[in-house]
Amino acid sequence: AQSVTQPDIHITVSEGASLELRCNYSYGATPYLFWYVQSPGQGLQLLLKYLSGDTLVQGIKGFEAEFKRSQSSFNLRKPSVHWSDAAEYFCAVASGGGSGNTGKLIFGQGTTLQVKP
Amino acid sequence: GAGVSQSPRYKVAKRGQDVALRCDPISGHVSLFWYQQALGQGPEFLTYFQNEAQLDKSGLPSDRFFAERPEGSVSTLKIQRTQQEDSAVYLCASSFVGRETQYFGPGTRLLVL
Repeated sequence: AQSVTQPDIHITVSEGASLELRCNYSYGATPYLFWYVQSPGQGLQLLLKYLSGDTLVQGIKGFEAEFKRSQSSFNLRKPSVHWSDAAEYFCAVASGGGSGNTGKLIFGQGTTLQVKP
Repeated sequence: GAGVSQSPRYKVAKRGQDVALRCDPISGHVSLFWYQQALGQGPEFLTYFQNEAQLDKSGLPSDRFFAERPEGSVSTLKIQRTQQEDSAVYLCASSFVGRETQYFGPGTRLLVL
């Protein structure tokens, strides 16, 4: 069965410091991978996605993520965190391609990012 | 253009009441998804529509949950005889067929007392 693990429930970083949020997935075939961000009381906003091709993907707000098949990982990075990045971050996987693909997402439990001034 | 909208944004129900949650997807989006997000958890899939056809309802937790999308646009998630464990945020998302990016609405926060 597909699953997503985000090992870090809560992370605190100082403003201006670099950030890496970890995500590991379990899926038999090539996965489609996503990172979403959720601010309090808000819906989910897509940061970036990996469907195929280049394993380093760029997203909005200066985020990037690298797909590593050998490690079943899709970690999210940002070189310099801003106070406005404080939010909940979710990694998700969807079945990739083919007919009958509903595209339903399997989410991790999320990582709460706190930014210190 | 307008994003996915959901109503009501907040709903308080007494245990045993029926509730109906509405989702207006992005115009032209064929695929529509419902997810349930419990406090402190990631969203969990409930059901999926392609146009008016409900192709996957494997995530609905019980037969008290029912979803419909009769004209292939607006969708309603109905919960009958609500119970306290139904308290959660219910998220709706839509996407183009064949495109995997789902766009989420703000959610409906349901509290069952």
